[in-house]
Amino acid sequence: NAGVMQNPRHLVRRRGQEARLRCSPMKGHSHVYWYRQLPEEGLKFMVYLQKENIIDESGMPKERFSAEFPKEGPSILRIQQVVRGDSAAYFCASSPSRSTEAFFGQGTRLTVV
Amino acid sequence: DAKTTQPPSMDCAEGRAANLPCNHSTISGNEYVYWYRQIHSQGPQYIIHGLKNNETNEMASLIITEDRKSSTLILPHATLRDTAVYYCIVRVIGGYNKLIFGAGTRLAVHP
Repeated sequence: NAGVMQNPRHLVRRRGQEARLRCSPMKGHSHVYWYRQLPEEGLKFMVYLQKENIIDESGMPKERFSAEFPKEGPSILRIQQVVRGDSAAYFCASSPSRSTEAFFGQGTRLTVV
Repeated sequence: DAKTTQPPSMDCAEGRAANLPCNHSTISGNEYVYWYRQIHSQGPQYIIHGLKNNETNEMASLIITEDRKSSTLILPHATLRDTAVYYCIVRVIGGYNKLIFGAGTRLAVHP
């Protein structure tokens, strides 16, 4: 049973470009969470999605960031017009139900140059 | 803000037990204690969780005090691969995985 798969593992974008981060949850998991870890800081919750629905996006920046989890395919975290401050590790986690423990992927490291 | 307090760092000799403390004095009756670890910038790894009884699995044991205000994660025979940052997190029963990660404890296992 493959774990949570994130790609790409490393992504370099120039300021002003768009970044698209993909997350395939574990098989049978329909709940997805995104977290961000800024350099030398702790992990911060961004958003919780359950197939086609955003349940909690309280940790998402108000502008430029969006997330989706379509009926088919991976969850996508999209960052428009990236800035240097968006450079961070972005982790996705999934769980089979709302309240069971979440399992994390290996993350995508975004570098904005 | 994190509802837990952990020492910033600890050392442990390889093969010995690592005992990582966590203070959660404001924990509510409807909150679990969860432990995750993060090995060198990899994704966090779930270790164990408990409510009020001691728990054990293949990775670790969790000892929760009777008043539930503190707990200890025990790695019975630490190896070099256990070097990581360990996070103690409280989470509402039935709640979803909106986890609040504090600074954690950086455990260094040395030969």
